[in-house]
Amino acid sequence: GESVGLHLPTLSVQEGDNSIINCAYSNSASDYFIWYKQESGKGPQFIIDIRSNMDKRQGQRVTVLLNKTVKHLSLQIAATQPGDSAVYFCAENSHLGGNGGSQGNLIFGKGTKLSVKP
Amino acid sequence: DVKVTQSSRYLVKRTGEKVFLECVQDMDHENMFWYRQDPGLGLRLIYFSYDVKMKEKGDIPEGYSVSREKKERFSLILESASTNQTSMYLCASSSRGTGLSITDTQYFGPGTRLTVL
Repeated sequence: GESVGLHLPTLSVQEGDNSIINCAYSNSASDYFIWYKQESGKGPQFIIDIRSNMDKRQGQRVTVLLNKTVKHLSLQIAATQPGDSAVYFCAENSHLGGNGGSQGNLIFGKGTKLSVKP
Repeated sequence: DVKVTQSSRYLVKRTGEKVFLECVQDMDHENMFWYRQDPGLGLRLIYFSYDVKMKEKGDIPEGYSVSREKKERFSLILESASTNQTSMYLCASSSRGTGLSITDTQYFGPGTRLTVL
């Protein structure tokens, strides 16, 4: 079946450095991707999304890159801070549902744990 | 801001008990979802609903049922709780996509950590 996975389960970076979290997806028909951040004991929090008609999208300190040729997604965090320590998930849309339209379902990767050393 | 709330943060139940997990969203979203999250397994979809009184099975519906009587509320029911249902349960909601293949962002509640003894 289709799946979303992550190259690295853990990532440790120094405060101030840039972080790059990678994700591979297998459904070439997926056209919407999201990155979530989940801190310990909390629900996932939306960070940034990107649609398949884009290659790059930037947020305040985050950038998401989409390479459809190799089905690869990455999240770049600039000047990583201790508050960025969390598990990061990528997700792609799926098309479950019986009425032919999108029902808003997502397939999630298992997550990468980012640890920021002061 | 979108707000998704769950009735309990922590819950402890005994094997065989009937358990209700409630989720409420305040953004008039059409879609609502229940996931469970376990170490090493990530988020797995249990059930979802794309309209009032509508429901569809996700990846792991066995042992669960759901109810969507009102648009803002989506309940997950464990008819007879078992120890393998000990997990973090997360509710999410989203608006309906703007096209056939576009999915709007899901917003999550804080989660309910359920322990079944």
